[in-house]
Amino acid sequence: DQQVKQNSPSLSVQEGRISILNCDYTNSMFDYFLWYKKYPAEGPTFLISISSIKDKNEDGRFTVFLNKSAKHLSLHIVPSQPGDSAVYFCAASRRTHGSGNTGKLIFGQGTTLQVKP
Amino acid sequence: ETGVTQSPTHLIKTRGQQVTLRCSSQSGHNTVSWYQQALGQGPQFIFQYYREEENGRGNFPPRFSGLQFPNYSSELNVNALELDDSALYLCASSGSFGLADNEQFFGPGTRLTVL
Repeated sequence: DQQVKQNSPSLSVQEGRISILNCDYTNSMFDYFLWYKKYPAEGPTFLISISSIKDKNEDGRFTVFLNKSAKHLSLHIVPSQPGDSAVYFCAASRRTHGSGNTGKLIFGQGTTLQVKP
Repeated sequence: ETGVTQSPTHLIKTRGQQVTLRCSSQSGHNTVSWYQQALGQGPQFIFQYYREEENGRGNFPPRFSGLQFPNYSSELNVNALELDDSALYLCASSGSFGLADNEQFFGPGTRLTVL
């Protein structure tokens, strides 16, 4: 049962253009969402997050949008740079205390982004 | 401030053997989570430790076990290794118990190959 899905295994964009990475989830109890970037031979690095009480969060070139009714989130990178080439994972979490699963991140399968110079 | 470190970086074992992976959490962090990342997949939650107690477990059999030490470092032990245990094992530390929005900092991982 894949609760978090990234349906595009790969994405290729030209330097300077916008990269849009998509993520869908099925569990309406998720209330916190994160994006991580992963380079080969390194662990995932936190990029940006969004709480379910918001529909947009922006940090520099990175913006995450959340559509709760559609159970969909997206990461926009503008402008894209060759150094952004990596695997991007979206992750979801519940912040309910006492469940024993607080802090557990559910990850999607990842999307490999290639930014061409 | 030192980041999350893991050892060893690579490991090769045979079926039926046991393995211990180690993680040192980031300075000031008291919560450690372990994830398994199979090839082409996202990381899957194994379990989490807070102040030496297991706090939450994913869908992994009991032969996956762990420990957390007073200095908040952690071990992941896997008994009776199976071929499907071949994966990248990631450790993540975070600063406060129970708050998912406290960023989890990941180590570089240990690549385990089971032959």
